[in-house]
Amino acid sequence: DIVMTQTPLSSLVTLGQPASISCRSSQSLVRSDGNTYLNWLQQRPGQPPRVLIYKISNRFSGVPDRFSGSGAGTDFTLKISRVEAEDVGVYYCMQSAQFPYSFGQGTNLEIK
Amino acid sequence: EVPLVESGGGLVKPGGSLRLSCAASGFTFSRAWMSWVRQAPGKGLEWVGRVKSKTDGGTTDYAAPVKGRFTISRDDSRNTLYLQMNSLQPEDTAVYYCTTPGGNPPYWGQGTLVTVSS
Repeated sequence: DIVMTQTPLSSLVTLGQPASISCRSSQSLVRSDGNTYLNWLQQRPGQPPRVLIYKISNRFSGVPDRFSGSGAGTDFTLKISRVEAEDVGVYYCMQSAQFPYSFGQGTNLEIK
Repeated sequence: EVPLVESGGGLVKPGGSLRLSCAASGFTFSRAWMSWVRQAPGKGLEWVGRVKSKTDGGTTDYAAPVKGRFTISRDDSRNTLYLQMNSLQPEDTAVYYCTTPGGNPPYWGQGTLVTVSS
């Protein structure tokens, strides 16, 4: 099974400052079709998860461009260029390259 | 229009059964590999299982904690995904989401709460 490891698990960020979350998979997430099935989700308090980024770096419709995803193979990063108050919540990476699909532990983003 | 809408959650006694539904719209449901994911109160996200599209075989796979108790099915004529849950236990208490994780783009529903308690 693929294990997804996120760092940090908690992040305290000043408004307007950047934030970065790392996600490492125990195996490559490249599938036979050549795509890398790594998504980033945001879960605001009391809300369902929301897709931010899919297939490493594609922003979901309506997601602000301050969110960006990068990486390849087994190492991936979510960056927020300037954190806003509405960004508070838990961020998860998830892989759907190989079943059983799996999630990172989640990174709790708070505002300083 | 919300692409995925779950329903069917509720309170059930240990050992009981429940069937969840997920109504899809706005994308070609018949071609999508569909999954169920759950989130226990205060916990992270956990994969439950998936069903491939019929053109890709229509097979199902399940996470170990639910294998043999849960069954995923789909009705492409109704654009609906199902999760039949039997022999429910308190540890199955969670919000259940349907999702298209490998979709282009992927979609997530709003979830339906299942509570297993006597």
